[in-house]
Amino acid sequence: DAKTTQPPSMDCAEGRAANLPCNHSTISGNEYVYWYRQIHSQGPQYIIHGLKNNETNEMASLIITEDRKSSTLILPHATLRDTAVYYCIGGLSSGNTGKLIFGQGTTLQVKP
Amino acid sequence: EPEVTQTPSHQVTQMGQEVILRCVPISNHLYFYWYRQILGQKVEFLVSFYNNEISEKSEIFDDQFSVERPDGSNFTLKIRSTKLEDSAMYFCASSERQGNTEAFFGQGTRLTVV
Repeated sequence: DAKTTQPPSMDCAEGRAANLPCNHSTISGNEYVYWYRQIHSQGPQYIIHGLKNNETNEMASLIITEDRKSSTLILPHATLRDTAVYYCIGGLSSGNTGKLIFGQGTTLQVKP
Repeated sequence: EPEVTQTPSHQVTQMGQEVILRCVPISNHLYFYWYRQILGQKVEFLVSFYNNEISEKSEIFDDQFSVERPDGSNFTLKIRSTKLEDSAMYFCASSERQGNTEAFFGQGTRLTVV
């Protein structure tokens, strides 16, 4: 499973875009990049995942660099409810058992 | 929206006692997981389960732990003889398949061993 590196914390103003970076330089060609978040000790919540192409859903956008060594999660209009710990996780290729290896993540504080 | 449900939300137990944590995964999911999170620490993988057997377990998941899918809907985690260090939030998760998919997590059971 690819090791990921994230900044420990970030701030964002309410209504602005939150851009959360992640380095995953050891990711292999068949490993996806997943993003989850955890709001105040609730169960982790899936946000988005991708392999090579940029992805967008109703929650966020995921931008993956061409060399796949890093990615950025974008919350286009952050709200106070987006304050959470955000985890970037590499892995979950088809041969994996499906486990997720959580790091320390980035604590995003959205401020009014 | 489908969800994973866990019961109880909070369990207090005496050291040395057995506890069973219960989970109802999403009905059409085939892969099931348990994770734990000690207060202030990161979420840690315990075990994955598919086709009525463990597919992978971490070194945390020793002989004191066991999992079972006793019927078509429940998925349980048993800790045989609890220790103080087992105090944590325990999260159950399920997914349709192993890769290229999202895992759905329950809200957790807070286990306090006294």
